[in-house]
Amino acid sequence: NAGVTQTPKFQVLKTGQSMTLQCAQDMNHEYMSWYRQDPGMGLRLIHYSVGAGITDQGEVPNGYNVSRSTTEDFPLRLLSAAPSQTSVYFCASSYRAPGLAGGRYEQYFGPGTRLTVT
Amino acid sequence: EDQVTQSPEALRLQEGESSSLNCSYTVSGLRGLFWYRQDPGKGPEFLFTLYSAGEEKEKERLKATLTKKESFLHITAPKPEDSATYLCAVQAISQGGSEKLVFGKGTKLTVNP
Repeated sequence: NAGVTQTPKFQVLKTGQSMTLQCAQDMNHEYMSWYRQDPGMGLRLIHYSVGAGITDQGEVPNGYNVSRSTTEDFPLRLLSAAPSQTSVYFCASSYRAPGLAGGRYEQYFGPGTRLTVT
Repeated sequence: EDQVTQSPEALRLQEGESSSLNCSYTVSGLRGLFWYRQDPGKGPEFLFTLYSAGEEKEKERLKATLTKKESFLHITAPKPEDSATYLCAVQAISQGGSEKLVFGKGTKLTVNP
């Protein structure tokens, strides 16, 4: 198993540009999520998905869009990049969605995408 | 407001010098507490899940414990390869009834040979 993969590893954008961060998992996990990690702050949830076709907003969703057409893939789209979106982005997946009876919520993280917006 | 606080922010140990990292939390409905290890330039790596006060989990030199208000990650006789940032996260029920995961800012551990 490759686990959770993310592409690209590094990206530089100009303000106003759009792009898609890719995330894929091969563990047949139901739950996938996107986080951003900034210096001096904990990981913050951007968007999440409890299964194909179902997505919802996390703590900091503004400026980002997601879709989940398959179990394996969960891309994150930046609609119009801003310097405030400079961060390291992590995709994560877990076997079950939180809140389900007997849910296993331990998440497996990808290697991250380091994004700089100038 | 749900909060997770980790202390200390940074910790330097000599090889073999045992110590503990703390994760204190204030959440409305704890569903689980998670410990992760993060190496520089990499994603967090899952270590432990704790669900109820009094529970303990062990893995090699690491032992995680949970009380009603905090969790400790005990490191026994650490080695330089234990150097990393250790993250604590709490699974809680938000005001709207949905589940959420709240991360602490982490403790950066450095173990000198």
